[in-house]
Amino acid sequence: IAGITQAPTSQILAAGRRMTLRCTQDMRHNAMYWYRQDLGLGLRLIHYSNTAGTTGKGEVPDGYSVSRANTDDFPLTLASAVPSQTSVYFCASSEIPNTEAFFGQGTRLTVV
Amino acid sequence: GQQVMQIPQYQHVQEGEDFTTYCNSSTTLSNIQWYKQRPGGHPVFLIQLVKSGEVKKQKRLTFQFGEAKKNSSLHITATQTTDVGTYFCGLYNFNKFYFGSGTKLNVKP
Repeated sequence: IAGITQAPTSQILAAGRRMTLRCTQDMRHNAMYWYRQDLGLGLRLIHYSNTAGTTGKGEVPDGYSVSRANTDDFPLTLASAVPSQTSVYFCASSEIPNTEAFFGQGTRLTVV
Repeated sequence: GQQVMQIPQYQHVQEGEDFTTYCNSSTTLSNIQWYKQRPGGHPVFLIQLVKSGEVKKQKRLTFQFGEAKKNSSLHITATQTTDVGTYFCGLYNFNKFYFGSGTKLNVKP
């Protein structure tokens, strides 16, 4: 089934640990995005990639890094997790920038 | 950075009442998108508006794009409990895809 897959679904992580959230899409979409959604709040853009091989910083990039080595995968890495990074993380993709975005199911991350 | 305001933040209505959420940008937009997120779910695309003054309807939902392409609204007629969720506008600006802060709709049966 075509779509966008995130892993893991949820994770409890000790502060200071490194963690990579995985995101894979099989729709051959050029653009991919990472958002975080804190309780009761909206979606804030962390990083984005408008095409394979390029990435850019969003509204809240500090403490996060991404890579886009190929079209399908867009992993998000927390180098040294802190409790303020506790959130629900959504990966999304669109065929090209500025078109309909498709979202993954989200990763619920708790940093303790 | 993102320069879009969405209001209201919350709306509680009785089933059958109407609901409207507004999205306002400080800059002229090429287009605007609307998404719905059910509780515990992920955002799902509803519609995209492109033309100045555009109005689109999906059953009980009416979407409008302002003449100046700086604001947009989503209106739901005669809400139902299935309309519960958070509604976000989404816009593309400076190579980035931003979302408004969302309006959380609660519908009392």
